[in-house]
Amino acid sequence: QVQLVQSGAEVKKPGSSVKVSCKASGDSFSTYVLSWVRQAPGQGLEWMGGLIPVFRTPHYAQKFQGRVTITADETTNTLYMDLRSLTSEDTALYYCATGPISVGRSGWYNDWGQGTRVTVSS
Amino acid sequence: DIQMTQSPSTLSASVGDRVTITCRASQNISTWLAWYQHKPGKAPKVLIYKASTLESGVPSRFSGSGSGTEFTLTISSLQPDDFATYYCQQYHTNRGTFGQGTKLEIK
Repeated sequence: QVQLVQSGAEVKKPGSSVKVSCKASGDSFSTYVLSWVRQAPGQGLEWMGGLIPVFRTPHYAQKFQGRVTITADETTNTLYMDLRSLTSEDTALYYCATGPISVGRSGWYNDWGQGTRVTVSS
Repeated sequence: DIQMTQSPSTLSASVGDRVTITCRASQNISTWLAWYQHKPGKAPKVLIYKASTLESGVPSRFSGSGSGTEFTLTISSLQPDDFATYYCQQYHTNRGTFGQGTKLEIK
């Protein structure tokens, strides 16, 4: 069982960047798959990307390739998501999520953060 | 990325009904599929993984089946707490994708 606590809400200008954090506690950080999922207003869940800390290599949805960076700091058990060149379409609730490792697969998620609201507005 | 298509988008049903939601993958994903329940203001909750394995603590009225490209989530007897939006998610590759969701409404 892993508890995930995310950073607070953000308001950003179009064209800027946002970095959201997700601190894990309760179990070994490195032995889980960690991902970011977002939900825009009135829309469904959207998988953005993820990684397995012990393997270090992140994977991203094609839609976000080149615009998102996901990293993990194993010393602090914290996952980060950095999204650049923000537009109003990036206004959403961003969740971190974790689940059992499936090597070579994105995994399924049995623990979720509380969500971080990012608003992009001029 | 693999595309996931759910049907229907909206489903109206009554307490006690048996309901089925379908999820189709754009390519063979074997049984690498999970189902989630999502309620407003809460984080998603996994119900089923590996297409048919019930997550611990999830009521047995939920069941999943399928393999390859076609999958179903069945709720055998709807309870008031089950009205929510349901999503499938494939994890066949290292890039996951969700279906667009099925909103289960009270008739």
